[in-house]
Amino acid sequence: KAGVTQTPRYLIKTRGQQVTLSCSPISGHRSVSWYQQTPGQGLQFLFEYFSETQRNKGNFPGRFSGRQFSNSRSEMNVSTLELGDSALYLCASSPQDRSSYEQYFGPGTRLTVT
Amino acid sequence: SQQGEEDPQALSIQEGENATMNCSYKTSINNLQWYRQNSGRGLVHLILIRSNEREKHSGRLRVTLDTSKKSSSLLITASRAADTASYFCATSLRGAAGNKLTFGGGTRVLVKP
Repeated sequence: KAGVTQTPRYLIKTRGQQVTLSCSPISGHRSVSWYQQTPGQGLQFLFEYFSETQRNKGNFPGRFSGRQFSNSRSEMNVSTLELGDSALYLCASSPQDRSSYEQYFGPGTRLTVT
Repeated sequence: SQQGEEDPQALSIQEGENATMNCSYKTSINNLQWYRQNSGRGLVHLILIRSNEREKHSGRLRVTLDTSKKSSSLLITASRAADTASYFCATSLRGAAGNKLTFGGGTRVLVKP
């Protein structure tokens, strides 16, 4: 099976702009989670989607949003970008919405905000 | 704040030696997982240990879990240069729905040939 794919892999945006990142999970996986990784805050949970419904949400401002489509592909959007949004954004997929399953991570999208 | 804290933050060993890293967490968990990350790339799942398990093995990896101390350890035996990476523990909180993981700060491991 193909792994989790994320597009684009690298992105440079200007403060104030918005950005959309895409994640395609492993075929058959219905749960998609998003994480932000920065040197200062480490890996932080953004949100999780299962069957097009948001199941969990982390402690991030409303500028961060996401959605999941019927084919389980997911997108996350960040509006009004700030310098502090520069990070590696990781997407993970899992077969079910129960934590007893391991998660499979994509290679990430590295976002730089200037 | 992060649920898990890892110790040490960095570790440098010679090829063939064992590497041990520890993870402590604060609240009751469903399970604890260990992941590896190479040079700011995606995370690779290594092992999952459930809250009712005390020890688990996978190849050269050995994980222990002590729920009374809220701690876990990852042992990599006979390390190789390819084991150079950052290692993260991640917990799934007891009673929480879904797949939310809370990660520790990670241990950077350098295996010198």
